[in-house]
Amino acid sequence: NAGVTQTPKFQVLKTGQSMTLQCAQDMNHNSMYWYRQDPGMGLRLIYYSASEGTTDKGEVPNGYNVSRLNKREFSLRLESAAPSQTSVYFCASSGNPGGANVLTFGAGSRLTVL
Amino acid sequence: AQSVTQPDIHITVSEGASLELRCNYSYGATPYLFWYVQSPGQGLQLLLKYFSGDTLVQGIKGFEAEFKRSQSSFNLRKPSVHWSDAAEYFCAVFRGAALIFGKGTTLSVSS
Repeated sequence: NAGVTQTPKFQVLKTGQSMTLQCAQDMNHNSMYWYRQDPGMGLRLIYYSASEGTTDKGEVPNGYNVSRLNKREFSLRLESAAPSQTSVYFCASSGNPGGANVLTFGAGSRLTVL
Repeated sequence: AQSVTQPDIHITVSEGASLELRCNYSYGATPYLFWYVQSPGQGLQLLLKYFSGDTLVQGIKGFEAEFKRSQSSFNLRKPSVHWSDAAEYFCAVFRGAALIFGKGTTLSVSS
């Protein structure tokens, strides 16, 4: 099983450009999440989707949009990138099997905004 | 409000010595608690979790953690650290519908 797959792994953008981070899971999990990781800040929740067709804001949603395309896929879009969005982004999923509260993480996507 | 506090930003331990990483949480209900590890440049791997029952939980790689409700703590321990344990460790609590992380503790292992 591939688990949680994120693309791209690395991306460099200029301020004002847009891009979409893709995430797919093959574990038939109901819930999916997007986090960002910054030095000294741990991981902070951007958005999550508790089930197909629903999305909710997390701790730091400003500047981002998400789409739960289907049960497998959950994308994160930056409409107008800013240097403050330079970060490592992690997608995660949870559900059965494994447990509704146990998250499995992707390998991360490193984004640099110049 | 901060749900998870990891008081130590960076810890250095000699190889073979014991380790304890501290974690305190603030959450009224019975918490679901987790420890994750992140090696440099890698994603996060689940070390162990506590949902209920025995307050001493065993995890992978020889780690264990003890839930103490009276102290609102969930400290991670290992009796003998190996050089490969050098990584960043995150404590987390499941709150509402998502996982909330502490800011992490970086573990360095000296020879």
